[in-house]
Amino acid sequence: GAVVSQHPSWVICKSGTSVKIECRSLDFQATTMFWYRQFPKQSLMLMATSNEGSKATYEQGVEKDKFLINHASLTLSTLTVTSAHPEDSSFYICSARLTGLYGELFFGEGSRLTVL
Amino acid sequence: SQQGEEDPQALSIQEGENATMNCSYKTSINNLQWYRQNSGRGLVHLILIRSNEREKHSGRLRVTLDTSKKSSSLLITASRAADTASYFCATDGRAAGNKLTFGGGTRVLVKP
Repeated sequence: GAVVSQHPSWVICKSGTSVKIECRSLDFQATTMFWYRQFPKQSLMLMATSNEGSKATYEQGVEKDKFLINHASLTLSTLTVTSAHPEDSSFYICSARLTGLYGELFFGEGSRLTVL
Repeated sequence: SQQGEEDPQALSIQEGENATMNCSYKTSINNLQWYRQNSGRGLVHLILIRSNEREKHSGRLRVTLDTSKKSSSLLITASRAADTASYFCATDGRAAGNKLTFGGGTRVLVKP
């Protein structure tokens, strides 16, 4: 199946710093990528939909200035957590849709962010 | 609110037994998908069932969909210890803005 690579897989940072997470589709082009956040033992919460060449669409309650998303190419989307605080500590997962509007989603392995 | 709600939240069974989990949703869908997540890992796609399908099989997995009841079930037959994971249903459809919306998940523990 298609491969989505996420980097870094884990990161620890100090409060107030910014952290960038990359999501790459390795063997296919993804015009749309999705960013999810997952707290321990909970489900995935969609944060935003990343569209290549245009602004991301954020879900209600997600601060767009806090979570900057850039989808500069058909194979790369980045999520930057700006001025991170301990409450931003979470598991962030990206996914990309293979083809079509209702195609299967392929997920990255996730990035665990710990803010001290 | 979650489009998909899963039941049970947790399930503990012995190796060799079958595991059944259910998913209910609220709005119309184009398809429903089941995913598996091992602890601390990403999600792995298991099976997709379209709204005009009623049952689908993939190996030891069997998925049913009842659009009149807005519910789906995932059955894992002859479970193995390696099936221990969290299982999520996700719905996809215009009512949800063509975004995949996940249920709360079922944590399955298969004891050897």
